[in-house]
Amino acid sequence: NAGVTQTPKFRILKIGQSMTLQCTQDMNHNYMYWYRQDPGMGLKLIYYSVGAGITDKGEVPNGYNVSRSTTEDFPLRLELAAPSQTSVYFCACSMNTEAFFGQGTRLTVV
Amino acid sequence: QKEVEQDPGPLSVPEGAIVSLNCTYSNSAFQYFMWYRQYSRKGPELLMYTYSSGNKEDGRFTAQVDKSSKYISLFIRDSQPSDSATYLCAMSALRNTPLVFGKGTRLSVIA
Repeated sequence: NAGVTQTPKFRILKIGQSMTLQCTQDMNHNYMYWYRQDPGMGLKLIYYSVGAGITDKGEVPNGYNVSRSTTEDFPLRLELAAPSQTSVYFCACSMNTEAFFGQGTRLTVV
Repeated sequence: QKEVEQDPGPLSVPEGAIVSLNCTYSNSAFQYFMWYRQYSRKGPELLMYTYSSGNKEDGRFTAQVDKSSKYISLFIRDSQPSDSATYLCAMSALRNTPLVFGKGTRLSVIA
């Protein structure tokens, strides 16, 4: 099993561009999360989903959108990229309480 | 006051030392506690999971939770250079609610 797979691994965006960060899991977990990690700042929750068709905002949702049409996929959309969105993005899934993470997408907005 | 406080370090110890990593928290409702290890440029991986108060041991790692003091610890015995990583504490109040993370402590074990 691959676990949680994120693509792309790296991306450079220009200010104002948009992109979708892909996340797919083969663990059949209902709960999925998007976090961002800035240097020395830990992980901050952007959005999460408790199942297909249900999403909710986390601590830092502004500038992002998500959708959850299947159990496996939870893409994160950035519209009008800004330098403040330069970060490492992690997708995670869970069945109970423990979360399992992907390897991250390193995004730079210039 | 932040919900979860964790000293970012860095912490540097010689190989074989006992390492103590700690977090404090303010939300008395937290009852699920986790420690994650994150190697450079990798995703966090679950290391230890504890429910409510008490100790849990797994090999060289011991997790302790003291809910009365709102304090959790991770001990690493006989530390190895391969233990060099950032250690993140995480916690939640209810099952299947998003985890709240500390900022992480960067640990270096010197051979």
